[in-house]
Amino acid sequence: ETGVTQSPTHLIKTRGQQVTLRCSSQSGHNTVSWYQQALGQGPQFIFQYYREEENGRGNFPPRFSGLQFPNYSSELNVNALELDDSALYLCASSLAGGAGNTGELFFGEGSRLTVL
Amino acid sequence: AQRVTQPEKLLSVFKGAPVELKCNYSYSGSPELFWYVQYSRQRLQLLLRHISRESIKGFTADLNKGETSFHLKKPFAQEEDSAMYYCALKGGTSYGKLTFGQGTILTVHP
Repeated sequence: ETGVTQSPTHLIKTRGQQVTLRCSSQSGHNTVSWYQQALGQGPQFIFQYYREEENGRGNFPPRFSGLQFPNYSSELNVNALELDDSALYLCASSLAGGAGNTGELFFGEGSRLTVL
Repeated sequence: AQRVTQPEKLLSVFKGAPVELKCNYSYSGSPELFWYVQYSRQRLQLLLRHISRESIKGFTADLNKGETSFHLKKPFAQEEDSAMYYCALKGGTSYGKLTFGQGTILTVHP
């Protein structure tokens, strides 16, 4: 069973640039959620994708967008980067629907973004 | 709005002592609560969920709707319990959307 993998692990951008973060969900999972974790804080929900559509969004502006692909992998895109976007971005996969839905999220190790 | 509060950022105990990590929540509906744990150099992982009423690694947590709390307890702490613990709340139907507390760093001294 392959776990959740994220890339890149670390990256540095400057204000105003755009970034794309990638996530491969755990084998058999059909739902991907993205979280932002600022230093010293708990993860904060950005949005979730199910069947290639956004299925729930947290309090984040439209410059945070995402995609889910037919193989359930996902991307998080952030445009017009701001200094406050510096954080660890976590991807989590889960199985929605059916007997396999235990409610457990399986997290990746995260992508650490630094905006200068 | 839903909120999760973990009042202690740091908690230190000695091996064999009881430990309680506090979690309070605010939610108008029927909540589902979870505890997630992150050990050193490992990824965030589920420890336990209230609907399962299970004990994992000696930890238990009872949902108290009257006090809106979901405290995590273990009668005899072990050094390997040292980790960051997050309380999380699921509001609504989507398991992917959790509201996390700020976390508590538990250190168990030998």
